[in-house]
Amino acid sequence: ETGVTQSPTHLIKTRGQQVTLRCSSQSGHNTVSWYQQALGQGPQFIFQYYREEENGRGNFPPRFSGLQFPNYSSELNVNALELDDSALYLCASSLEVGELFFGEGSRLTVL
Amino acid sequence: EDQVTQSPEALRLQEGESSSLNCSYTVSGLRGLFWYRQDPGKGPEFLFTLYSAGEEKEKERLKATLTKKESFLHITAPKPEDSATYLCAVPRGGTGNQFYFGTGTSLTVIP
Repeated sequence: ETGVTQSPTHLIKTRGQQVTLRCSSQSGHNTVSWYQQALGQGPQFIFQYYREEENGRGNFPPRFSGLQFPNYSSELNVNALELDDSALYLCASSLEVGELFFGEGSRLTVL
Repeated sequence: EDQVTQSPEALRLQEGESSSLNCSYTVSGLRGLFWYRQDPGKGPEFLFTLYSAGEEKEKERLKATLTKKESFLHITAPKPEDSATYLCAVPRGGTGNQFYFGTGTSLTVIP
């Protein structure tokens, strides 16, 4: 059984740039969620995708967007990067209810 | 507004010194309280789900309990390998797998 994998693991961008983060969900899971975790904080819900449709969104601006593909993998896109976007971005796959299975995360630094 | 609060923020224990971590929540219609463990630089790893007041779950040196307003994670005779950040989470209103996370308790167990 393959777990959740994310890429890249680390990346550095400058303010105003755009970034795309990728996630492959665990086999058999049809739901992918993205979380932002700032240093010393708990994960904050960005949005969730279920069967290729956005299925819920947290308090994040529209410059955070995403996609889910037919194989249930997913992308998180962030436009017009700001310094405060520096964080660990976590992807988690799950079934319709229940616990999340997280990847190792993508550490984004915005300079 | 739904909230999850964890205390203490940090806890240092001697090996073998038992203690408890607290997670208090205010959420309408609780659909489970979830505990995760997070090692530095890694994604959270699921530990337990509790659904009703009075429920208890155990795993090795960890035991989670739930009341109508809070949950406790009891750590009995901890070992250095138990050092991690422990996060609790509750589903956002009306969902089964979109979560509010607390800020976590950073546990350090000293040999």
